[in-house]
Amino acid sequence: GAVVSQHPSRVICKSGTSVKIECRSLDFQATTMFWYRQFPKQSLMLMATSNEGSKATYEQGVEKDKFLINHASLTLSTLTVTSAHPEDSSFYICSAVRGNTIYFGEGSWLTVV
Amino acid sequence: GENVEQHPSTLSVQEGDSAVIKCTYSDSASNYFPWYKQELGKRPQLIIDIRSNVGEKKDQRIAVTLNKTAKHFSLHITETQPEDSAVYFCAASTGTGRRALTFGSGTRLQVQP
Repeated sequence: GAVVSQHPSRVICKSGTSVKIECRSLDFQATTMFWYRQFPKQSLMLMATSNEGSKATYEQGVEKDKFLINHASLTLSTLTVTSAHPEDSSFYICSAVRGNTIYFGEGSWLTVV
Repeated sequence: GENVEQHPSTLSVQEGDSAVIKCTYSDSASNYFPWYKQELGKRPQLIIDIRSNVGEKKDQRIAVTLNKTAKHFSLHITETQPEDSAVYFCAASTGTGRRALTFGSGTRLQVQP
């Protein structure tokens, strides 16, 4: 079964609104989770590292005020895309590490109309 | 930061032939090199990985080689089958995989029956 679960799998939102994506580690605690973004026919790019109980670390070029990350518990990290625009439409995917193994969530398709 | 380059971007082979995909990395501190297969809209699927303390690893038809001095690693698929057709990504990480991944740009492999 899934070790890292992501929700929702697909979401459509109107331009200017916000949308939240959840990433949960199942049956293990993840003090660190990673958020990636993948535009169509492109590679996965790290957006930010989510740290439980502290601020996320954002990659260069990623707006921290636009992509809010909250890691309030050892099993849940959330990514909120605020004031979404059509150019934010992408595949967002999280990952967590258990032992030496990386587990990816199912991914979330975001479409901003 | 780390930079991973991947070649070729597309690769077409006949069923039964071998396929080779090559990646180079820039950060000499990287010590974990996974290869992923990804189908459209799905999470990346780990097919093989290698850590910097070994030079080669094989799993049935799939093998990975690592040259730490030259900072490059390659994926070899033998006896290709149509179901091997997909997009393949290489990646690199420090911390033996406990840290974020830097992905290559991807290779679209097409196996012609």
